[in-house]
Amino acid sequence: GENVEQHPSTLSVQEGDSAVIKCTYSDSASNYFPWYKQELGKRPQLIIDIRSNVGEKKDQRIAVTLNKTAKHFSLHITETQPEDSAVYFCAASKNDMRFGAGTRLTVKP
Amino acid sequence: EAGVAQSPRYKIIEKRQSVAFWCNPISGHATLYWYQQILGQGPKLLIQFQNNGVVDDSQLPKDRFSAERLKGVDSTLKIQPAKLEDSAVYLCASSSRLSASTDTQYFGPGTRLTVL
Repeated sequence: GENVEQHPSTLSVQEGDSAVIKCTYSDSASNYFPWYKQELGKRPQLIIDIRSNVGEKKDQRIAVTLNKTAKHFSLHITETQPEDSAVYFCAASKNDMRFGAGTRLTVKP
Repeated sequence: EAGVAQSPRYKIIEKRQSVAFWCNPISGHATLYWYQQILGQGPKLLIQFQNNGVVDDSQLPKDRFSAERLKGVDSTLKIQPAKLEDSAVYLCASSSRLSASTDTQYFGPGTRLTVL
């Protein structure tokens, strides 16, 4: 089955800096790659997703890139704000969703 | 639209006891998922339903876990008997389309289970 690895496990940045989180997947048939944000004690919320026919997608300060050949995808957050502090999960899916272990992002004011 | 509902929100039981969780997906969503999220880890898919049929239960520990979605709407997840390692948050999610593994999943608030 699919295996998703996510790095780093923790990331601390200064407010206004950029943050990058990277994920690799094992199943070349996976074709859907969402990113979820989970604040402490709350449910995961979708922040952006990308499908395998697209290499990059952007939504305001958030962007995701996908390299199908290398089987990796990344989340980029620019101009980080303290409210971006949370745990971020990547996931990969063909017939079922597999999540990475998460990255705890801390944005210092 | 109303979100995914789950109950109870919290449950504390002793090992070897039984427990059941309930989920009501977003109205009209064909696909329902149960995930287990152990503290500090990502959600792990336990079972996926399309309407009332099971699509994937490869990661469900079938010796103690069971789930059903009899009328293709609400679902229950049961653990019998519980073990200490079952302590986790159990998340229910739903998505709208039948090919929903590639569709946006909306999560419920989860049930936090503590097994003593």
